[in-house]
Amino acid sequence: NAGVTQTPKFRVLKTGQSMTLLCAQDMNHEYMYWYRQDPGMGLRLIHYSVGEGTTAKGEVPDGYNVSRLKKQNFLLGLESAAPSQTSVYFCASKERGEATDTQYFGPGTRLTVL
Amino acid sequence: GQNIDQPTEMTATEGAIVQINCTYQTSGFNGLFWYQQHAGEAPTFLSYNVLDGLEEKGRFSSFLSRSKGYSYLLLKELQMKDSASYLCAVMDSNYQLIWGAGTKLIIKP
Repeated sequence: NAGVTQTPKFRVLKTGQSMTLLCAQDMNHEYMYWYRQDPGMGLRLIHYSVGEGTTAKGEVPDGYNVSRLKKQNFLLGLESAAPSQTSVYFCASKERGEATDTQYFGPGTRLTVL
Repeated sequence: GQNIDQPTEMTATEGAIVQINCTYQTSGFNGLFWYQQHAGEAPTFLSYNVLDGLEEKGRFSSFLSRSKGYSYLLLKELQMKDSASYLCAVMDSNYQLIWGAGTKLIIKP
């Protein structure tokens, strides 16, 4: 099992460019999440999904869109990148919505917007 | 608002014991998690507490007091590989995790 994987690992964008981050999990998990992690701040939830075909907004959704067309994949899109979106992006998944379910994280994508 | 507080940085000596505190104010409570994150890597799960008391797991223990909105992570027999950030997270009434900024633990020989 690869667990949770993220593509790409690093990316540099210019302001206004677009890109898509891909998250894939092979654990048959229902729930998937996109977080961003900035220095001095906790992980902040961007969007999440409770199952194939569903998405919902998290704490900081502006400037991002997501899609969950297949259960194993969760895509995060930036339509017009801004320097404020420079961050490390983590994808996570968990089996169900139970409180005791652990979130498993991918290795992260380091994005710089110039 | 929702708030998770933990110290920014702590230093300890190899072989010693360290306690990392976490206080929280959240809308609802469905458990508290501790994660470990080495520099440049993903967070990995350490412990989960939902009832008051101490949960022991090898060299690591986690304590919870729901009435005080307080938890701590206790690391014993510190090893150099324990140098990492330790993240406290609370599951709120919507079953979403609210994360603290993390405590960077530096272990000195």
